[in-house]
Amino acid sequence: KQEVTQIPAALSVPEGENLVLNCSFTDSAIYNLQWFRQDPGKGLTSLLLIQSSQREQTSGRLNASLDKSSGRSTLYIAASQPGDSATYLCAASNDYKLSFGAGTTVTVRA
Amino acid sequence: EPEVTQTPSHQVTQMGQEVILRCVPISNHLYFYWYRQILGQKVEFLVSFYNNEISEKSEIFDDQFSVERPDGSNFTLKIRSTKLEDSAMYFCASQRSGGVYEQYFGPGTRLTVT
Repeated sequence: KQEVTQIPAALSVPEGENLVLNCSFTDSAIYNLQWFRQDPGKGLTSLLLIQSSQREQTSGRLNASLDKSSGRSTLYIAASQPGDSATYLCAASNDYKLSFGAGTTVTVRA
Repeated sequence: EPEVTQTPSHQVTQMGQEVILRCVPISNHLYFYWYRQILGQKVEFLVSFYNNEISEKSEIFDDQFSVERPDGSNFTLKIRSTKLEDSAMYFCASQRSGGVYEQYFGPGTRLTVT
């Protein structure tokens, strides 16, 4: 059974600082890994998807890396802004379903 | 851009009542999913559906739950006799094909069982 862990559970940084969010998974036989953003009480906004054959994926200020062999993915957010404050979830895809981590709650202080 | 839609956005029901949560997946997608998130907990997989049948279900998805694609566009989740512990946000997702493709999530239905 796939287990996904995200560390840290919470993070508070001043505006402008770069963010590093970590995700680890136990079963490396994944199809892909998705990163989501969730605002309080809201749905899931997909940020990035990395295929299992890829090492990295970029979208604007976001960059995600994947090391399948070690079961790790990292989401980097450059030059953080207060609007980046949210919970970030990673999810690993096995057998046509996603297994989610508990998320990292980010607060960017103005 | 096509999106997954869900109705209602919030449903309040009494314990023991039946509820049906509705989803309209993206039109050319073939795989459909339900997930749920109890307040403060992880998002959990419930069921996947392909070719008009369940592909996989979790241990949460017991006989009280059922899914249906009644008309080729809607995808529904029915809970026959709701319990307090069914209170959660329920997310529908669809996927163009299996495996490597991205799952697109709807905005969710918040179910409150009183």
